[in-house]
Amino acid sequence: AQSVTQLGSHVSVSEGALVLLRCNYSSSVPPYLFWYVQYPNQGLQLLLKYTTGATLVKGINGFEAEFKKSETSFHLTKPSAHMSDAAEYFCAVTRGGSNYKLTFGKGTLLTVNP
Amino acid sequence: GAVVSQHPSWVICKSGTSVKIECRSLDFQATTMFWYRQFPKQSLMLMATSNEGSKATYEQGVEKDKFLINHASLTLSTLTVTSAHPEDSSFYICSARAIEGFDTFGSGTRLTVV
Repeated sequence: AQSVTQLGSHVSVSEGALVLLRCNYSSSVPPYLFWYVQYPNQGLQLLLKYTTGATLVKGINGFEAEFKKSETSFHLTKPSAHMSDAAEYFCAVTRGGSNYKLTFGKGTLLTVNP
Repeated sequence: GAVVSQHPSWVICKSGTSVKIECRSLDFQATTMFWYRQFPKQSLMLMATSNEGSKATYEQGVEKDKFLINHASLTLSTLTVTSAHPEDSSFYICSARAIEGFDTFGSGTRLTVV
């Protein structure tokens, strides 16, 4: 079984500040890990994913995440927050395979203050 | 890139009526589609997985007769909420997956049952 824990349901930062959204996972097999962003009344947009290979993954809009197996973490960062980054962020895990299902965390609402 | 169209974006219906939501993959063939339900300020809950030409696989606790899923072609899946009641009001999101691909999400449907 897999699970995802996102620490902090709400994170608030100032524009230009570092964004750090935390995600810890539990998986009995090597995981595939994802970060999605959701704007109000919208579906989910993939920010980045880790499957295999390089543990530091770069995504869209300046976001990146690092897979740390020893810490079972996949935290999302962005050096400088922009007002347009305000949204809900979801971390998800799966075990891979042809018919895998995504397990989502509860989400973190990011607000960006001017 | 991969695009999934979900319609309608929002719908209001009377209690006791049925509502159909469509999910189309516009530029790829989706061997598997997923239907999620999202309650306000909560994460996505997987309702069912559908493979083209097969019966959908429902998650535990999801009523098959209430939420009818049809995946008749490689580009279209539909979710019909039958005899809708106010407690079925929610945000429904589909995602589509190509062979050896990752999930692309629709923009969601806000269902309000009055």
